[in-house]
Amino acid sequence: IQLTQSPSFLSASVGDRVTITCRASQGISSSLAWYQQKPGRAPNLLIYAASTLQSGVPSRFSGRGSGTEFTLTITSLQPEDFATYYCQQLNSYPITFGQGTRLEIK
Amino acid sequence: EVQLVESGGGLVQPGGSLRLSCAASGFSFRDFGMNWVRQAPGKGLEWVSFIVGIGRTTDYADSVKGRFTISRDNSKNTLYLQMDSLRAEDTAIYYCAKRGNYKGGSFDVWGQGTTVIVS
Repeated sequence: IQLTQSPSFLSASVGDRVTITCRASQGISSSLAWYQQKPGRAPNLLIYAASTLQSGVPSRFSGRGSGTEFTLTITSLQPEDFATYYCQQLNSYPITFGQGTRLEIK
Repeated sequence: EVQLVESGGGLVQPGGSLRLSCAASGFSFRDFGMNWVRQAPGKGLEWVSFIVGIGRTTDYADSVKGRFTISRDNSKNTLYLQMDSLRAEDTAIYYCAKRGNYKGGSFDVWGQGTTVIVS
């Protein structure tokens, strides 16, 4: 199952609201997770089952979607949110990731 | 504290072998499936392999099938990845990641990674 994220690159300012889209090549129900990765660090789980916030993750992060189209929204961007974001499908093996969305400060 | 610590990375010639280890602590290791994920320099994340908590069920990405072997020793709380017939395209940071049992199978804990260079 291929996952396509859009955009691949996003420039935004502190306080902005941004949305990243992840489209699956076939239906995956709600078997989707979102990760944040900062340079030189391991990925960090943000959202699982498409819309459930991982413990400890700020509520400005939210996820929606099912089937083939999913979104990650960050409201009121904070300086620590500038990173690369990946979606991941867990509906079937091989597990696959989207190509990533790099979020940079404008 | 739940923690995963990888080791065993290094520089190896094409065609060579390497064994990675991932030491787990802070949780009941045997109760969770485990994964290896890699990231080539400047590239995205690629899932490599999975193993169940108890038993021998495993799965592999096509890119490593037949060359890599995942295993675990629950008595030592350690996950392994035996990598044989290494190629230049296997150069990457290798992460081990714990499968979240009630989190849709998502990877809720990651190690810091170990670097493998095939050259």
